[in-house]
Amino acid sequence: EDKVVQSPLSLVVHEGDTVTLNCSYEVTNFRSLLWYKQEKKAPTFLFMLTSSGIEKKSGRLSSILDKKELSSILNITATQTGDSAIYLCAGRGSSNTGKLIFGQGTTLQVKP
Amino acid sequence: NAGVTQTPKFRILKIGQSMTLQCTQDMNHNYMYWYRQDPGMGLKLIYYSVGAGITDKGEVPNGYNVSRSTTEDFPLRLELAAPSQTSVYFCASSYSTIPDQPQHFGDGTRLSIL
Repeated sequence: EDKVVQSPLSLVVHEGDTVTLNCSYEVTNFRSLLWYKQEKKAPTFLFMLTSSGIEKKSGRLSSILDKKELSSILNITATQTGDSAIYLCAGRGSSNTGKLIFGQGTTLQVKP
Repeated sequence: NAGVTQTPKFRILKIGQSMTLQCTQDMNHNYMYWYRQDPGMGLKLIYYSVGAGITDKGEVPNGYNVSRSTTEDFPLRLELAAPSQTSVYFCASSYSTIPDQPQHFGDGTRLSIL
């Protein structure tokens, strides 16, 4: 059975800290891994990773995929209170349905 | 752009009642999905559709039904509501799977069954 596991499940840091969120996956015929940020409502898309070792970056956020280790990390540098959210990782296999398998999410709280 | 719109935002149902959660998208996306999110459990796929007239079960379909008569709309029906269906429901859509595209989510419907 396909599964995605995130760690830690929750994290509390102070503004300015750097955090690393982990995601490991077991997805049949793996094709891509996606990261989403969820604040009060809808998950919003951050990154989609398909190739191993290529870093995707957007401002203070970056992510990389390691296909050998079946894992991905999401880094946030110089954290701000606005980074407080649930971060969701999802894996996608090669079927043409586009279905995503989500991890449990990591709840990040950034204190001032 | 409206994107993915879900109604209602909140609803309280009594055990045994039925209701339909509405989802519509204006992005001409072929692929649509229904998820439920329980605390600490991530999102679980209930049903999905790869185009008008085509639907299929996800991980947790029991107690739910869907239909897809148009590209824009993908309603989720709960028959005989049970307390275990208390959850936040998200609808999502994407344009294609080749090449891979991210799914875009609605704001969710918070449903309580009492």
